[in-house]
Amino acid sequence: GAGVSQSPSNKVTEKGKDVELRCDPISGHTALYWYRQSLGQGLEFLIYFQGNSAPDKSGLPSDRFSAERTGESVSTLTIQRTQQEDSAVYLCASSPLGSNTGELFFGEGSRLTVL
Amino acid sequence: QQQVKQSPQSLIVQKGGISIINCAYENTAFDYFPWYQQFPGKGPALLIAIRPDVSEKKEGRFTISFNKSAKQFSLHIMDSQPGDSATYFCAASTAGNQFYFGTGTSLTVIP
Repeated sequence: GAGVSQSPSNKVTEKGKDVELRCDPISGHTALYWYRQSLGQGLEFLIYFQGNSAPDKSGLPSDRFSAERTGESVSTLTIQRTQQEDSAVYLCASSPLGSNTGELFFGEGSRLTVL
Repeated sequence: QQQVKQSPQSLIVQKGGISIINCAYENTAFDYFPWYQQFPGKGPALLIAIRPDVSEKKEGRFTISFNKSAKQFSLHIMDSQPGDSATYFCAASTAGNQFYFGTGTSLTVIP
């Protein structure tokens, strides 16, 4: 498909384990965002990649969270030593550079459950 | 610190009624104000957006009203339908870079 693809769609893990969440943005989109959506909460910004610029990591909640992006393609969000409060839906979005609309295209998210 | 404040948290409207969701912001550098619609199990999708050089934008049954001096904007859904039942998020951004979202409004339209 042509949309943003995220995997896995669901992940159940035990407290203390590490998890990796993957995002495949729309081809040609240079901007990529990660958000966290907890039950009944809004969209919490985590990290933003734009082209070759240094990523904006200001939203990462702790040093257990990290993210990488290879060029203008796939991004991986890693959570180390997961805690129960990390349980949430992790949403990835991409956007084309120079878009006048500034529209974000979201994936369907990865639902993480930490037992 | 919440950059964009959204209310109400939940809203129940009769079919055919008007749904109104409000948002407020502080940062006058914001220059793009989109609304996103999210159905259960799906990612948010852009519904309608406005820039601060206009006070109103209408697309079908959806209208954004923007008050620059008050730093407030709202979404109006006219003739609300059960299919409009979803969670709505307002957002604000600067130059299409960092996007700040409100906490969301769960809308239920009763047939």
